[in-house]
Amino acid sequence: GAVVSQHPSWVICKSGTSVKIECRSLDFQATTMFWYRQFPKQSLMLMATSNEGSKATYEQGVEKDKFLINHASLTLSTLTVTSAHPEDSSFYICSAAVAGLDTQYFGPGTRLTVL
Amino acid sequence: GENVEQHPSTLSVQEGDSAVIKCTYSDSASNYFPWYKQELGKRPQLIIDIRSNVGEKKDQRIAVTLNKTAKHFSLHITETQPEDSAVYFCAASMAGGTSYGKLTFGQGTILTVHP
Repeated sequence: GAVVSQHPSWVICKSGTSVKIECRSLDFQATTMFWYRQFPKQSLMLMATSNEGSKATYEQGVEKDKFLINHASLTLSTLTVTSAHPEDSSFYICSAAVAGLDTQYFGPGTRLTVL
Repeated sequence: GENVEQHPSTLSVQEGDSAVIKCTYSDSASNYFPWYKQELGKRPQLIIDIRSNVGEKKDQRIAVTLNKTAKHFSLHITETQPEDSAVYFCAASMAGGTSYGKLTFGQGTILTVHP
């Protein structure tokens, strides 16, 4: 149980284009989803927290107009990287949690490469 | 906000030896401390966690200890095996309030177990 999927697993795009990444909880309803970014050989950095039906809460330094997050249902959250640039190339990982429980279940990650 | 420091950044041991990774946290309100194992290009996998009302927890070869007064917690792996080689991350979070569920990660430890 507690499986989280992400799609796509990898994507290559041209600079200036937008990319959407989906995060789904497959066998449970996630009241909260988190989006992380991980650069090579670095730790996971929280970008934003999203609750179903509410606006996402962004961490300091993360541009909310560049990283659009939508959490329209209890099983789906999306991250859209708008006008992507090479410096946005990274490993993006989502996680999902249930209200009242500490454990976060991580997705497999999406490798974004911006040319 | 919370700050988590993790040491060492790299750890090399011989198969069968023990490995210890240490983390300190800054916010005394944190009450949940998970440890994750991440293999290259894959999602973080929860290997053990501990809550602030417990001082020690063990699961087969893995144990975690927590010292709330000193605000530090440690991961202990005994009888290490080559398949334990990976990057290990500690994290801290607190329940309640606007920070509920937000994980702050340590910098990571690259563990290499030599056969």
